[in-house]
Amino acid sequence: EPEVTQTPSHQVTQMGQEVILRCVPISNHLYFYWYRQILGQKVEFLVSFYNNEISEKSEIFDDQFSVERPDGSNFTLKIRSTKLEDSAMYFCASSIGTSAQQFFGPGTRLTVL
Amino acid sequence: SQQGEEDPQALSIQEGENATMNCSYKTSINNLQWYRQNSGRGLVHLILIRSNEREKHSGRLRVTLDTSKKSSSLLITASRAADTASYFCATDALASGSRLTFGEGTQLTVNP
Repeated sequence: EPEVTQTPSHQVTQMGQEVILRCVPISNHLYFYWYRQILGQKVEFLVSFYNNEISEKSEIFDDQFSVERPDGSNFTLKIRSTKLEDSAMYFCASSIGTSAQQFFGPGTRLTVL
Repeated sequence: SQQGEEDPQALSIQEGENATMNCSYKTSINNLQWYRQNSGRGLVHLILIRSNEREKHSGRLRVTLDTSKKSSSLLITASRAADTASYFCATDALASGSRLTFGEGTQLTVNP
């Protein structure tokens, strides 16, 4: 069964450093998402991406965040200058269409020291 | 209260019993999806129910949706210890593109 993959599984970084989280969505999916889950809290939407542009973003997704689909398979989330409060599990998801089932990756645990 | 609130927050049952988790939401939706998460792990999709559907089954799972009450329930029948996990409902609201809004989740513990 096709699945969404994410790398790395765990990333530790120093405050102020840039990080790039990588995702490979399911190959025939057209919609891509990033969510995050701070430890012990609920999953929060960050951004959705379709047709090579952001289709929706939340208030969390400020200028420190960016997304890119650099080639036909990868989908990346960049945090320009990490803060302590960016420590969370980051999930990538993809779907074949709008309002369709979203398939989630296993997540990247980001720890900012 | 927030979009996609589950109750109870925690539920502990014996193996073989049924587990029912409820979810309430505030806005009109395209669909509602239930996910499962084992501790510290990824989100596993269980069922998607559309706003024009009232009930859906998948194996031991049964999901109902009442759009007039803006609520949904997830029933797990004949529970197993391996069903121990957190269960989340997530709504795809009519007015907000495809973003999913998650609830706080129900922590289910199934005792052997």
